[in-house]
Amino acid sequence: DVKVTQSSRYLVKRTGEKVFLECVQDMDHENMFWYRQDPGLGLRLIYFSYDVKMKEKGDIPEGYSVSREKKERFSLILESASTNQTSMYLCATHVGLGLGYTFGSGTRLTVV
Amino acid sequence: DQQVKQNSPSLSVQEGRISILNCDYTNSMFDYFLWYKKYPAEGPTFLISISSIKDKNEDGRFTVFLNKSAKHLSLHIVPSQPGDSAVYFCAASATGNTPLVFGKGTRLSVIA
Repeated sequence: DVKVTQSSRYLVKRTGEKVFLECVQDMDHENMFWYRQDPGLGLRLIYFSYDVKMKEKGDIPEGYSVSREKKERFSLILESASTNQTSMYLCATHVGLGLGYTFGSGTRLTVV
Repeated sequence: DQQVKQNSPSLSVQEGRISILNCDYTNSMFDYFLWYKKYPAEGPTFLISISSIKDKNEDGRFTVFLNKSAKHLSLHIVPSQPGDSAVYFCAASATGNTPLVFGKGTRLSVIA
């Protein structure tokens, strides 16, 4: 089974801090994604990547950036954390066209 | 504009009865549909999927129905069990390996 590991389950950060959320997958998949989940808003796509060094903006990229230096690792960066970025962040990898995603356990980030 | 809509934020069903979760979509390019289940503080897990060339797919207690003309799909859970209590997300993708688009989710409560 594919394993997607997010480095932190819970994080508390201060407003203005630079925050790194790490995601590692163990199956050499090319496609990786970052979503955030908020009550009543579902899962919204922040950024995705189909290959090393490649990144594409999703639906809500403002305030975020990403890094994909190696195929197995896809990092989400909050350049200057704000309270409206308090959320559950979910990383996923894609097995292939037409197949489902495998998600990590999520990182619940609180910005105070 | 929402491309995948789950219009019922919550649903409550008695144990042993049928649960029916509904999903509508607007993008006629979608050709693959998936349902995910999510428990609190965990990542979503893949439940069942259906291709647009089919109108039904069954896996144990779970059946997904697709009505392309109405741009509507539904997930049936029979019989419902207390462990099915979770948030269910409908998702869709279009040919060409585009990212999944998720609905806002429906919280299912199965009452013993």
